[in-house]
Amino acid sequence: GAVVSQHPSRVICKSGTSVKIECRSLDFQATTMFWYRQFPKQSLMLMATSNEGSKATYEQGVEKDKFLINHASLTLSTLTVTSAHPEDSSFYICSARGSILLAFFGQGTRLTVV
Amino acid sequence: QQQVKQSPQSLIVQKGGISIINCAYENTAFDYFPWYQQFPGKGPALLIAIRPDVSEKKEGRFTISFNKSAKQFSLHIMDSQPGDSATYFCAASIRSNTGKLIFGQGTTLQVKP
Repeated sequence: GAVVSQHPSRVICKSGTSVKIECRSLDFQATTMFWYRQFPKQSLMLMATSNEGSKATYEQGVEKDKFLINHASLTLSTLTVTSAHPEDSSFYICSARGSILLAFFGQGTRLTVV
Repeated sequence: QQQVKQSPQSLIVQKGGISIINCAYENTAFDYFPWYQQFPGKGPALLIAIRPDVSEKKEGRFTISFNKSAKQFSLHIMDSQPGDSATYFCAASIRSNTGKLIFGQGTTLQVKP
């Protein structure tokens, strides 16, 4: 399958700071990227969908000013958690979809806000 | 309408046995049904997928059975191995649309040696 690389795999930040997570499609062009959040022992919750060069579409209840998504190129999307708080601690996962219309997932990022 | 319901929540199977996980959906516009395998601390990995014009798809020890009239699909893992112990998610999407995946609740599978 196609390779989606997510970085960093783990990050610890102080409350009030911002954290950026990168998602790259390494061997295909990702026309659409998705960002998910996953709580322990729960399913994946879609946060937003982004298409290259356009604004992200956020799911209901997701604060767009808190979770900034940029899909600047066909191989890179970033999620920035702004003014992070302990309740933002979670496992964040990106997914990328290209011309073959299959979605491939990154390895995930464990965010801990202290 | 957009939900995908998955059962059971957890499953314990002896090595060599068959693991069966079921999913049901409501939206008849869904046209793509993948299964993902997730190990702790990792992202989901695509295991196998099926389209609604096919009733069964087999890849190695993994088989998807699809019942369009009942709006149900299931994953069968034959000859289950301890290395199959993971969380499995079914999902559904409309491929011609954004391809947004609607996930089931997940099933934690434990295969005992």
